[in-house]
Amino acid sequence: GAGVSQSPSNKVTEKGKDVELRCDPISGHTALYWYRQRLGQGLEFLIYFQGNSAPDKSGLPSDRFSAERTGESVSTLTIQRTQQEDSAVYLCASSLDGGAGSHEQYFGPGTRLTVT
Amino acid sequence: AQSVTQLGSHVSVSEGALVLLRCNYSSSVPPYLFWYVQYPNQGLQLLLKYTTGATLVKGINGFEAEFKKSETSFHLTKPSAHMSDAAEYFCAVRKAAGNKLTFGGGTRVLVKP
Repeated sequence: GAGVSQSPSNKVTEKGKDVELRCDPISGHTALYWYRQRLGQGLEFLIYFQGNSAPDKSGLPSDRFSAERTGESVSTLTIQRTQQEDSAVYLCASSLDGGAGSHEQYFGPGTRLTVT
Repeated sequence: AQSVTQLGSHVSVSEGALVLLRCNYSSSVPPYLFWYVQYPNQGLQLLLKYTTGATLVKGINGFEAEFKKSETSFHLTKPSAHMSDAAEYFCAVRKAAGNKLTFGGGTRVLVKP
């Protein structure tokens, strides 16, 4: 079946502009995660959605970052007033559920964001 | 808080030689452990995972890893490198009752003919 998809694949924006990144999880996956991968570094957790529960926002680096998810489908990550340090690859992942019984997260190809 | 350390950001091996990628973690509770591989311009793909039970875990593409609790390590090995193994490899941990993954900094593997 289809995997996790993300759009756009690349985004170049000017400093100070807002950007929206989209993630379509695997159908039936109730858990959805956003991670950030800066150049030459590992992934940093940003936010986690599980069903209708309140999202775990503990990884969001500042109040310029926010994310929404409609039900158990599409999620958007919004970065307001972008800064150059926001340049990174933003990866989305989904899993069947986020509980202790679920182990594997399936990752999308990522959106490469460049802030000029 | 959990943390993951991967020793060596770049590793170069000859085709047919042993691949050894090191991963050490710190965690207040026994975690679940994962190795992911990332090919250029692609998302991460799960290679293998340890949750409970046998400490030697076999994964895809001939890779395996051994969980050593006393050493807080989860090193990844492959007996014979193939050109197609050239990629970046990430070790990650997760609390058994948790959700988010904590990743190491990654190790980029170059395979020489």
